[in-house]
Amino acid sequence: DAEITQSPRHKITETGRQVTLACHQTWNHNNMFWYRQDLGHGLRLIHYSYGVQDTNKGEVSDGYSVSRSNTEDLPLTLESAASSQTSVYFCASSDGRLRQETQYFGPGTRLLVL
Amino acid sequence: GESVGLHLPTLSVQEGDNSIINCAYSNSASDYFIWYKQESGKGPQFIIDIRSNMDKRQGQRVTVLLNKTVKHLSLQIAATQPGDSAVYFCAETRTGGATNKLIFGTGTLLAVQP
Repeated sequence: DAEITQSPRHKITETGRQVTLACHQTWNHNNMFWYRQDLGHGLRLIHYSYGVQDTNKGEVSDGYSVSRSNTEDLPLTLESAASSQTSVYFCASSDGRLRQETQYFGPGTRLLVL
Repeated sequence: GESVGLHLPTLSVQEGDNSIINCAYSNSASDYFIWYKQESGKGPQFIIDIRSNMDKRQGQRVTVLLNKTVKHLSLQIAATQPGDSAVYFCAETRTGGATNKLIFGTGTLLAVQP
């Protein structure tokens, strides 16, 4: 079955380290998204991509970067991890025809920055 | 600004009762709405969607109602079961544009009492 996976599921890192969270989908969706979820804020968009080589900033993109070298993967990199980036991160994907149609989410990565 | 909010952060119901979860949206241009269910430790799961040309849409045990006049969305769950216990949140977007994004509410916790 097609699916979307994230790895690692849990990560502990130290302030200042570079961290990369992986996202892989097998639906052949054009659109992929990264969100962070924090209490009281709901899901906030970090970066998104509408296709290979396309990346866009979301509302909370500072300190994060993404790259899209193929359809299946959109890795999220924290260039220099900060304690404020402790959060649960979700990757999502959607069909490309209408850009923002139903998004399907991965299981999440829980990141703790010490 | 654009926002999607929920009236009740926590809803407690008895098993077998019907549940109603409400959502207010502020962008009158939004034309597509989604309800997601998020169980503890998991990613959001698509439940049901509705487009602005509809007032009501039914799924299995769930019904979504859309009142565009007052910009209100509701999710009705019939015969609520313990497995329905989760956080539910709505999302809105305006389709057809170049950079439209899903805007998520913060969620309502549904607690089903046996």
